Amino acid sequence: DAGITQSPRHKVTETGTPVTLRCHQTENHRYMYWYRQDPGHGLRLIHYSYGVKDTDKGEVSDGYSVSRSKTEDFLLTLESATSSQTSVYFCAISETSGSPDTQYFGPGTRLTVL
Amino acid sequence: GENVEQHPSTLSVQEGDSAVIKCTYSDSASNYFPWYKQELGKRPQLIIDIRSNVGEKKDQRIAVTLNKTAKHFSLHITETQPEDSAVYFCAAFTDKLIFGTGTRLQVFP
Repeated sequence: DAGITQSPRHKVTETGTPVTLRCHQTENHRYMYWYRQDPGHGLRLIHYSYGVKDTDKGEVSDGYSVSRSKTEDFLLTLESATSSQTSVYFCAISETSGSPDTQYFGPGTRLTVL
Repeated sequence: GENVEQHPSTLSVQEGDSAVIKCTYSDSASNYFPWYKQELGKRPQLIIDIRSNVGEKKDQRIAVTLNKTAKHFSLHITETQPEDSAVYFCAAFTDKLIFGTGTRLQVFP
């Protein structure tokens, strides 16, 4: 597996509380991505980053923000968690983009919002 | 934007039989098509991919075919084994990866 870790691996929180998920890579890859996985929907892109402090929205970005202050770390924040954000969140990395490239996934974080 | 449809949603086969999963995409500009395998509770892992300048690619028991005219691509697994049981996802890349909704493959001994 590529050098990608996610923390925490499991989290239970209450509606309205802020939550931050962390993705850490040791591959020095430029691109990092956050996806959510829900039954019947496959993997959907939330936000991605193409360099330090450079981020952009994906297809399901409402209610989420991201930050990337270092190449190795990409943070996903739910400012005020809702039950609809209960999901499994995967981080992914790739070396290049704009041209096709392979994305490698982290182990995932299971988030439950009560 | 790109839309990827994947069929079937579930597939059951006897060990040793072949399995075929099909995906269609909408954006003719898509140029990269990976397939991921996800075992229960694990991360998606790339098993094979194909680029738009190639029609077919094989890796041991798995193969992928691409028909750019019809905008569909397929995963073929031959001589299936119980360890092939997993959820398989196709994806298409234009400027982002768009995933299909997955196929749960069950291989019965």
